Amino acid sequence: NAGVTQTPKFQVLKTGQSMTLQCAQDMNHEYMSWYRQDPGMGLRLIHYSVGAGITDQGEVPNGYNVSRSTTEDFPLRLLSAAPSQTSVYFCASSSGAPGPQYFGPGTRLTVL
Amino acid sequence: KNQVEQSPQSLIILEGKNCTLQCNYTVSPFSNLRWYKQDTGRGPVSLTIMTFSENTKSNGRYTATLDADTKQSSLHITASQLSDSASYICVVSATGTYKYIFGTGTRLKVLA
Repeated sequence: NAGVTQTPKFQVLKTGQSMTLQCAQDMNHEYMSWYRQDPGMGLRLIHYSVGAGITDQGEVPNGYNVSRSTTEDFPLRLLSAAPSQTSVYFCASSSGAPGPQYFGPGTRLTVL
Repeated sequence: KNQVEQSPQSLIILEGKNCTLQCNYTVSPFSNLRWYKQDTGRGPVSLTIMTFSENTKSNGRYTATLDADTKQSSLHITASQLSDSASYICVVSATGTYKYIFGTGTRLKVLA
């Protein structure tokens, strides 16, 4: 099993550009989520999904869109990148609330 | 407000020594508490998960304790190794939610 994979690993954008961060898991997990990690702060939840076709907002959803058309994939879209979105983004999946979350390797995004 | 606070912020110890990391939380109603290890440049990896009824759980040289009455947890690392150098993150979730509250982590450095 590859676990949770994320692409790209690094990305540099200019302010106003849009892009999609990809996330896929091969563990048949229902629950998937996106976090951002900034220096001196804990991981913060952006959006999450409890199954295909079901998504909900987390703590910091503004400027981001998600969709979940399959169990395996959970892409995160930046609509119009801003310097405040410079961060490391992690995707995670789990089989259910009491189970461990499995994190991807992260995408380091810089917005100029 | 649901919060997770960790101490110390950083810690340096010599190889072979033991150490204890602290986590205090105000998340309510409490569901479970997790400890993760995050190596530099990588995603967090689950070490332990404890529910309300569990007050200790071990994973090799890592032992987590939970006092649900005082809302405190600790992570004890025995006979530290150079590979233990990482950030250790405490995460708490509330009942009936898929949202996890992350602490800012303790950065541990083990010196030879």
